[in-house]
Amino acid sequence: DTEVTQTPKHLVMGMTNKKSLKCEQHMGHRAMYWYKQKAKKPPELMFVYSYEKLSINESVPSRFSPECPNSSLLNLHLHALQPEDSALYLCASSQERDRGWPQHFGDGTRLSIL
Amino acid sequence: GQQVMQIPQYQHVQEGEDFTTYCNSSTTLSNIQWYKQRPGGHPVFLIQLVKSGEVKKQKRLTFQFGEAKKNSSLHITATQTTDVGTYFCAFNQAGTALIFGKGTTLSVSS
Repeated sequence: DTEVTQTPKHLVMGMTNKKSLKCEQHMGHRAMYWYKQKAKKPPELMFVYSYEKLSINESVPSRFSPECPNSSLLNLHLHALQPEDSALYLCASSQERDRGWPQHFGDGTRLSIL
Repeated sequence: GQQVMQIPQYQHVQEGEDFTTYCNSSTTLSNIQWYKQRPGGHPVFLIQLVKSGEVKKQKRLTFQFGEAKKNSSLHITATQTTDVGTYFCAFNQAGTALIFGKGTTLSVSS
């Protein structure tokens, strides 16, 4: 069982839709992450929140909008996505952002853009 | 930016054979982590190495960190079908989060 919970597990949306991905952890971790993973590729970092503040934004298009309502929750708001945005979106958390703390990943949301 | 090269990209073995994946950097790493991702699954943390020359074992898995802290390896003894998946090395770059290698995908036939 994963300690990081992501919903939904699967999402199909059109290019004009607005949807949100949700992530929750109750391990008391202060760093949370969004990754994008294409088939047969490594996870690609999108955003990092540290103590509920956005600390890293890896030049992600504005059609992806992260939000951290509290220390346990992380959302990724999606709007006007492109077909190339179809991928597995992974949420992860760690004790702290730096110092090599291991990351705990959720099962991911498989996103398909029509 | 700093990167790691991971080889091989793919490896197929017969069950019972050994397997090794290598992770190489051109610069010194402060630490290295290893993750395993099963097909259809998510990355799962296996181990972290911090010290020069460090060797850690987990049952049939042996992890090494080079003396110069520029390379690392993961060796699996007597592979089983449950070892199937993609193995990623990853490291923390100063001021940023984890950087993943491209991974080695292991397939095992019985």
